[in-house]
Amino acid sequence: ETGVTQSPTHLIKTRGQQVTLRCSSQSGHNTVSWYQQALGQGPQFIFQYYREEENGRGNFPPRFSGLQFPNYSSELNVNALELDDSALYLCASSLTGTEYNEQFFGPGTRLTVL
Amino acid sequence: AQKITQTQPGMFVQEKEAVTLDCTYDTSDPSYGLFWYKQPSSGEMIFLIYQGSYDQQNATEGRYSLNFQKARKSANLVISASQLGDSAMYFCAISPRGSTLGRLYFGRGTQLTVWP
Repeated sequence: ETGVTQSPTHLIKTRGQQVTLRCSSQSGHNTVSWYQQALGQGPQFIFQYYREEENGRGNFPPRFSGLQFPNYSSELNVNALELDDSALYLCASSLTGTEYNEQFFGPGTRLTVL
Repeated sequence: AQKITQTQPGMFVQEKEAVTLDCTYDTSDPSYGLFWYKQPSSGEMIFLIYQGSYDQQNATEGRYSLNFQKARKSANLVISASQLGDSAMYFCAISPRGSTLGRLYFGRGTQLTVWP
């Protein structure tokens, strides 16, 4: 296990609702990245937080937003849910400044939008 | 732009045999890292092996080795002595040094099935 935890493990929402996913990073890590993995696809980068600031964003609309807290845990918020938002959401923590910024993944949150 | 291509949607191997999972990549960054991850049905991405673009030797980690051919832009994963527990999805990923720190670009994965 990596020490990265995510909650909840599963979630069912309906179109138009809002959802908050949570991630607790590995001890000592200061960077959190979020990925969306649709069924049958590889994970797609949503955004990254470093020292509580957004540090890069993938091709996702503004209704995907995030936060990082002083203890380096993080939240992913999605507003106005759409059916295509159904996916596995993975959080990865890392320590910026290491040789290759290896990312340690959590078990993911499976979101179903009906 | 970064691109990872995994052309094998599924691979089958008998227990104790070796298997090679293919990965080709495209990047304009001169410095990058290549990663392989394993994803069991539970969903967690498990780091297997890393290769830096300037590393002269191919990376090895236990039963995993990476066949890195920079000129051909390929980074194939070799699993020796396959075990039943190796059955999972395998993803190749690239992380360019010039991008968001540690950001990974993944391929679509290869489903490996190990049979007795």
